[in-house]
Amino acid sequence: DAGITQSPRHKVTETGTPVTLRCHQTENHRYMYWYRQDPGHGLRLIHYSYGVKDTDKGEVSDGYSVSRSKTEDFLLTLESATSSQTSVYFCATGATEANYGYTFGSGTRLTVV
Amino acid sequence: EDQVTQSPEALRLQEGESSSLNCSYTVSGLRGLFWYRQDPGKGPEFLFTLYSAGEEKEKERLKATLTKKESFLHITAPKPEDSATYLCAVQGGGADGLTFGKGTHLIIQP
Repeated sequence: DAGITQSPRHKVTETGTPVTLRCHQTENHRYMYWYRQDPGHGLRLIHYSYGVKDTDKGEVSDGYSVSRSKTEDFLLTLESATSSQTSVYFCATGATEANYGYTFGSGTRLTVV
Repeated sequence: EDQVTQSPEALRLQEGESSSLNCSYTVSGLRGLFWYRQDPGKGPEFLFTLYSAGEEKEKERLKATLTKKESFLHITAPKPEDSATYLCAVQGGGADGLTFGKGTHLIIQP
């Protein structure tokens, strides 16, 4: 996980509140990704970024937004948290489009009550 | 739509007992097949990328192979420290990001 820091590591929030998760990298990688991991589903892509201010939707983007104002930071916002968004969220970075594998952060465990 | 199916879901082996994990995939224009290792409470750790059928890569006790429909992760004489969940993922020609399988949970008993 060297070079990628996710914060917070754990969070409990109430239904209907906005939540922002942060991913910070020191690798100077162009590509950044947000995935969620749930039992029975594996890792699923939420949003990704291919440069500063350049973002796009992934497979499960509904209810999520992202922003990338600097190369090193990629923020994931749950606009109005729901219980279905209880999950472990992973940030990943890549120098190219995954050809050499992503580097993943340690994850944020989010519980929505 | 790209799809990845891993089998078995779980595998328990004795130390030194070699075996293989399977990853079957359907993808439009394979750009790469990836293997990751994930330990409990941690993010996935990159192991291998395979690009074309017939390609093989090795790392310590692990060897990954690729055909046009599946990939195998062979584990030779495993040790307890090889216990982890092994994830397979693909990137297709029209895809952004990777499509992951659900993983194989491997336990190596001493």
